[in-house]
Amino acid sequence: EAGVAQSPRYKIIEKRQSVAFWCNPISGHATLYWYQQILGQGPKLLIQFQNNGVVDDSQLPKDRFSAERLKGVDSTLKIQPAKLEDSAVYLCASSLVGSEQFFGPGTRLTVL
Amino acid sequence: RKEVEQDPGPFNVPEGATVAFNCTYSNSASQSFFWYRQDCRKEPKLLMSVYSSGNEDGRFTAQLNRASQYISLLIRDSKLSDSATYLCVVNGGGGGNKLTFGTGTQLKVEL
Repeated sequence: EAGVAQSPRYKIIEKRQSVAFWCNPISGHATLYWYQQILGQGPKLLIQFQNNGVVDDSQLPKDRFSAERLKGVDSTLKIQPAKLEDSAVYLCASSLVGSEQFFGPGTRLTVL
Repeated sequence: RKEVEQDPGPFNVPEGATVAFNCTYSNSASQSFFWYRQDCRKEPKLLMSVYSSGNEDGRFTAQLNRASQYISLLIRDSKLSDSATYLCVVNGGGGGNKLTFGTGTQLKVEL
């Protein structure tokens, strides 16, 4: 069974530039999550979707971060404009409703 | 106070040693608890769920004390392949399946 796919795997940008990450969840998983993991910390939930609706975005910095899940499958996370402190690994996860979350390999973002 | 607190380590232990990790959580309404394992530059993966009655999976034993809001993980007969970061994870409940992760405890098993 295919896992959660993410792209790109690595991205280097300069501050104030924009960047977008893509996630394709496990087939049939209604719930999709975006996490931010800063070096030396555990993952922090940014946003949770169930199908194409937002369940929780309380920790998403909405002045610069946005996310969408059109058609309830793939999702994109965008940062505009990026700051130095956005350097982190962005992890996408998916699950059946209320079940174990499976993580993708992540996108490692470096903001210079 | 952080929602989930762990000793970051690193714990450096010889092969064959027994090692214990501890974790505390602040939300008394939390409903489910887990240990995840994260290898260097990899994604987190579920190691095991944690139940009040305690549960064991091979060399790994997890315990939960709801009264003290304390979770533990015991690894017996450590292997080199156990070297990783172990993340304590709490599900806050409310039906949202929202996971809160600790900072992780790094384990290095040495020859």
